[in-house]
Amino acid sequence: EVQLVESGGGLVQPGRSLRLSCAASGFTFDDYAMHWVRQAPGKGLEWVSGISWNSGSIGYADSVKGRFTISRDNAKNSLYLQMNSLRAEDTALYYCAKDMRATVTDDAFDIWGQGTMVTVSS
Amino acid sequence: SYELTQPPSVSVSPGQTARITCSGDALPKKYAYWYQQKSGQAPVLVIYEDSKRPSGIPERFSGSSSGTMATLTISGAQVEDEADYYCYSTDSSGNHRGVFGGGTKLTVL
Repeated sequence: EVQLVESGGGLVQPGRSLRLSCAASGFTFDDYAMHWVRQAPGKGLEWVSGISWNSGSIGYADSVKGRFTISRDNAKNSLYLQMNSLRAEDTALYYCAKDMRATVTDDAFDIWGQGTMVTVSS
Repeated sequence: SYELTQPPSVSVSPGQTARITCSGDALPKKYAYWYQQKSGQAPVLVIYEDSKRPSGIPERFSGSSSGTMATLTISGAQVEDEADYYCYSTDSSGNHRGVFGGGTKLTVL
């Protein structure tokens, strides 16, 4: 069964850091690009970041550029999101999503995890 | 920054055709993708590369794109199609940035 399972969310104070993980199974992880997408409570979807199959191409939304870092470990079938200098507006459900392709060009998210909640509050 | 614009809501009766639009300046050069999100669930890809349907998606879902507008069409909408629908694309600036439309709430009743 193809599956993505996110972890690492929680309550964190503004200005602090958090690292999200996404464990992939049921497909050849290093054949595909991967992405993080978030959804604030009661709001729409927001693309956060994407990484190509070999980490050679990476993109970030303007809202997180310079604060968040996406990475992957193909040996561990895992995707990560290091989030620094967190703000209240980063509060959201963070989804891990598999791309249909190996590269981050025209993104097509065909498999999604169930998400991990990040709450930034003092 | 690049934006995709969708109507906030669309309402149809069961069996009618629902059309949801998405406008964006880069759509003539970039593909549109459509996601369905039911309450409390993760999104599901229903259309990719403007008009292609993933396996398992009913044939009543179709997509098209012309100029700066992409359209998701649900022919013979059913009650179970009630959901939020989001279009997605990327900008054409050369720096890879993805963007979702604001979402459209489809009501079927």
